[in-house]
Amino acid sequence: DAGITQSPRHKVTETGTPVTLRCHQTENHRYMYWYRQDPGHGLRLIHYSYGVKDTDKGEVSDGYSVSRSKTEDFLLTLESATSSQTSVYFCATSDRGRYEQYFGPGTRLTVT
Amino acid sequence: GENVEQHPSTLSVQEGDSAVIKCTYSDSASNYFPWYKQELGKRPQLIIDIRSNVGEKKDQRIAVTLNKTAKHFSLHITETQPEDSAVYFCAATRNTGGFKTIFGAGTRPFVKA
Repeated sequence: DAGITQSPRHKVTETGTPVTLRCHQTENHRYMYWYRQDPGHGLRLIHYSYGVKDTDKGEVSDGYSVSRSKTEDFLLTLESATSSQTSVYFCATSDRGRYEQYFGPGTRLTVT
Repeated sequence: GENVEQHPSTLSVQEGDSAVIKCTYSDSASNYFPWYKQELGKRPQLIIDIRSNVGEKKDQRIAVTLNKTAKHFSLHITETQPEDSAVYFCAATRNTGGFKTIFGAGTRPFVKA
């Protein structure tokens, strides 16, 4: 668990403001993922990265962008936050050649 | 789009009895099926997984079965205990140069003492 951290853990922001969430890993895993978790929907993939500077969209990518400039950090940006983006955001990682994903502790984001 | 359906959404189980959670998936290219347990306010944690070339896998009180033809997979928990009360998520993964995973909506079993 200690190998994946997320910051901030809690954030309240206003509609229309940009927000950046950070995921940091010390596992040297190649793949990183951002999910959002909402009641009744399980976890839904927003974006993922398969290497430094290599990213792709998931199933709910509208309104989100990501960047990965080094192996250990994966940033999720809400370009202009909306109330529908109020959620719990989880980062996950997986290693090269392995399917298992390991989750960070989550960030609770509230957009007012 | 691709989806994973999970049933039931809630489940009441007497302590010591067995519980079964079922999932179906639509993406025929999925080849890895993990199950996660999430306690309240915590991160999801992998409890068991199965690959497409295996029909069944067991680990102590939990087991998973996979029917690839029918696109069904199930989690079986035997001798349920109060600490089994959490949310369980099934998922289906395909390898697309990263591992795209679709999750079910979750099942919350309530274990009654």
